[in-house]
Amino acid sequence: DADVTQTPRNRITKTGKRIMLECSQTKGHDRMYWYRQDPGLGLRLIYYSFDVKDINKGEISDGYSVSRQAQAKFSLSLESAIPNQTALYFCATSDSGTGTYEQYFGPGTRLTVT
Amino acid sequence: KQEVTQIPAALSVPEGENLVLNCSFTDSAIYNLQWFRQDPGKGLTSLLLIQSSQREQTSGRLNASLDKSSGRSTLYIAASQPGDSATYLCAGPHTGKLIFGQGTTLQVKP
Repeated sequence: DADVTQTPRNRITKTGKRIMLECSQTKGHDRMYWYRQDPGLGLRLIYYSFDVKDINKGEISDGYSVSRQAQAKFSLSLESAIPNQTALYFCATSDSGTGTYEQYFGPGTRLTVT
Repeated sequence: KQEVTQIPAALSVPEGENLVLNCSFTDSAIYNLQWFRQDPGKGLTSLLLIQSSQREQTSGRLNASLDKSSGRSTLYIAASQPGDSATYLCAGPHTGKLIFGQGTTLQVKP
């Protein structure tokens, strides 16, 4: 089984709908991240969490919210989806105990907002 | 602030060629640098992590180097194969987060 899983893998939704993307990990890592990837713009950080009680905005947090339900679970919500949120979304984890900042990525969720 | 740049954006080589992918960063106090591979529409796979105390890190046909003084890292791929075709990204940490380059898309032609 994959160490970092994301659900759903693909999602098509309409403008204005609320959707949630979920991320779970079995690596026992304390840090979790949400990124989006757009062609030509690379990976951009949306939100990150260094532990269950620590949530931080990344460079493009507007229009998104997150919830760290447990050390192993980190969810990303789009309260009212808009077409320019169509992108590939990745969750990642890292272990602060290693001191290396090495990140491990999930398989991604392809989101289309029509 | 850390900025990471990868040039060229795309590269096409014949099978069997040795090649070098480049990654530049602005903050020479970089702690380490991570190289990833991404196949189209797929997630990122970590290839190599090279620590600031290391100059090189090797895995199979891949060799990554890190030169903090010049702000550069290179990923060397020996005897390239069509299966190496993918986008390669480098990333360096900054305040606990990773800063990514835009990636180099490699095509290895049979």
